[in-house]
Amino acid sequence: DQQVKQNSPSLSVQEGRISILNCDYTNSMFDYFLWYKKYPAEGPTFLISISSIKDKNEDGRFTVFLNKSAKHLSLHIVPSQPGDSAVYFCAAVLLQGAQKLVFGQGTRLTINP
Amino acid sequence: NAGVTQTPKFQVLKTGQSMTLQCAQDMNHEYMSWYRQDPGMGLRLIHYSVGAGITDQGEVPNGYNVSRSTTEDFPLRLLSAAPSQTSVYFCASSPGGGNQPQHFGDGTRLSIL
Repeated sequence: DQQVKQNSPSLSVQEGRISILNCDYTNSMFDYFLWYKKYPAEGPTFLISISSIKDKNEDGRFTVFLNKSAKHLSLHIVPSQPGDSAVYFCAAVLLQGAQKLVFGQGTRLTINP
Repeated sequence: NAGVTQTPKFQVLKTGQSMTLQCAQDMNHEYMSWYRQDPGMGLRLIHYSVGAGITDQGEVPNGYNVSRSTTEDFPLRLLSAAPSQTSVYFCASSPGGGNQPQHFGDGTRLSIL
């Protein structure tokens, strides 16, 4: 039972355009969400996060939107750059108890020149 | 500036063999975790530790043991390797709970024949 789902295995975007990566979750109790970026042969690196009490968080070219009623979050990258080509994972956590991260399957983003 | 160091980077085992995947961090983080990454499955939590002497199971703990005798080290032991344990293993650390960004090592690629 996949509690966090990234339904698009891959996404291709032209350089300079907006990239939108989506993530859905089933557990309404999740109260914190994070995005990680992963290059080949490296470990994931933290990108941006959002608390469930907010609906938007912005950091430079990266913005995360949270729609709690739809149990949906999205990561916007604008403008997209070739260095953004990577696999992006969303993750969710319950801040009570063990605070274990639950990851989605990942979306491979390719930025075309 | 080492961060999280995993050894070895690659390993091939025969079914039934045992081995230990090493993980060390130099950031004095309390939280450490082991994940496995499989195609189409994202990262799944195997075991985690909230401090020296304290460990607990994650989503997929069967076939793996951990211990945390020091803050710095969190080894993962495969007692009797099975082909289903062929995967890429990532160790991560963070200063605190789930809303703290995790720092990942570069992974160990393990093949069980």
